[in-house]
Amino acid sequence: DTEVTQTPKHLVMGMTNKKSLKCEQHMGHRAMYWYKQKAKKPPELMFVYSYEKLSINESVPSRFSPECPNSSLLNLHLHALQPEDSALYLCASMPGTGELFFGEGSRLTVL
Amino acid sequence: QKEVEQNSGPLSVPEGAIASLNCTYSDRGSQSFFWYRQYSGKSPELIMFIYSNGDKEDGRFTAQLNKASQYVSLLIRDSQPSDSATYLCAGLDTGRRALTFGSGTRLQVQP
Repeated sequence: DTEVTQTPKHLVMGMTNKKSLKCEQHMGHRAMYWYKQKAKKPPELMFVYSYEKLSINESVPSRFSPECPNSSLLNLHLHALQPEDSALYLCASMPGTGELFFGEGSRLTVL
Repeated sequence: QKEVEQNSGPLSVPEGAIASLNCTYSDRGSQSFFWYRQYSGKSPELIMFIYSNGDKEDGRFTAQLNKASQYVSLLIRDSQPSDSATYLCAGLDTGRRALTFGSGTRLQVQP
């Protein structure tokens, strides 16, 4: 199994809603990532979990809350988002060799 | 700040030609580099990685790394219209175990 699976693929939410993005991998990778990508821009790092502990938070607003329940799962909890948070949210995992394996992404629209 | 820079393009080549994509990086400590292909609306897909000075070939793709000059390149031989995409160069920040992406080069292969 060489996949990173993200759900949902599309999400529309209002500014007062609470929702979560989910990510799962079964490749045994111990590092997992959330990236945000706006149109025509490169992926921008948000969070890194290493061995289920948060190792990097790139000064992301607290309305984004990551969670790593175990070595295979990664969640991103969303609350009180702004329209400018609309983007493609990419989950990825990394083996020891350094390359990132991306999921298909969750396209988020905030109304 | 560690940076990876690419020409945003678009780079337009005729079908069957060689496409040459270039990337420079600022961190002399970077050891590992990755090329991703991203189709519009899709997530990045790993094409190649390179760690050592010189060339690395995989099918129609050749990655080149010159650590003294701090540049990385990707050559695509016999370019096909299906190669039309944005190509992202990324360097591994070893200390943070995270990839820093260039802004991407849009490649257009004309039939």
